[in-house]
Amino acid sequence: DPKIIQKPKYLVAVTGSEKILICEQYLGHNAMYWYRQSAKKPLEFMFSYSYQKLMDNQTASSRFQPQSSKKNHLDLQITALKPDDSATYFCASSQDHGGAYEQYFGPGTRLTVL
Amino acid sequence: GQQVKQSSPSLTVQEGGILILNCDYENDMFDYFAWYKKYPDNSPTLLISVRSNVDKREDGRFTVFLNKSGKHFSLHITASQPEDTAVYLCAAGGNNNRIFFGDGTQLVVKP
Repeated sequence: DPKIIQKPKYLVAVTGSEKILICEQYLGHNAMYWYRQSAKKPLEFMFSYSYQKLMDNQTASSRFQPQSSKKNHLDLQITALKPDDSATYFCASSQDHGGAYEQYFGPGTRLTVL
Repeated sequence: GQQVKQSSPSLTVQEGGILILNCDYENDMFDYFAWYKKYPDNSPTLLISVRSNVDKREDGRFTVFLNKSGKHFSLHITASQPEDTAVYLCAAGGNNNRIFFGDGTQLVVKP
C-alpha cells in the first residue's frame, strides 16, 4: 500500500483558475514538505510543516498556500494559476522536522496550466 | 548561493564499471548527507544516507564517503548495471535546517 498519497496524479487547469493538490501520509511522520520540479530544472523546496505549523517557506508568491487539516495531511492550494506554475509537485514527509531526518517522497502531481 | 552542488550534470559508464558521483556543500553545520535516485516522471527515492559521525557507509553496491573537512561527499557504485540509469540527487542538512538538494547528475550505464 502506498504510504504517501498524492491526488490527483495529473491535473490540467486554465490560466487564472484555482486548484488544490492533496497529500496524505500514513508513515506516522510529524513533518511534511512540498517540493516542485519544473521541466529541466532541479527539485525546488517550497514549504515545510511540523505538527501542522509552518516551519519554512521558500516560495515568494502568496498564490501558493499550504493547508493542514490533520497532522498527516498537507494540501497545497494554488490560486490565479499561470502557465509557469506547470510542474510536478511532490509532497514529502519525515519523522520530525529538520535536515537530520530522512525524507520520503510521494508520487507527485503533474500540473499543466494552459 | 546554492547550498549543495553537483559538479557533473551527466555521467556515462559501461556496464560493470565502478562510478563515482560527487557532491559539495557549503554549510559546515550540516550533519546529514543522503543520495536519492530519481527516474523520469517519478519521485525521488532515498538510496543511502549517512550521519556526520561516520565517514563511510556501505549498502550492497552503494557506498557513501564523507569528507567533512573538505565539505564533500560522494556515492560510489560498483558493478554498475543498466538499471542504475537515473538521475542521482545528493542532499544535505542539519538539525535545524531543511534538506538542501543538488541539481542532480544524470547517470547512463551502457550495456
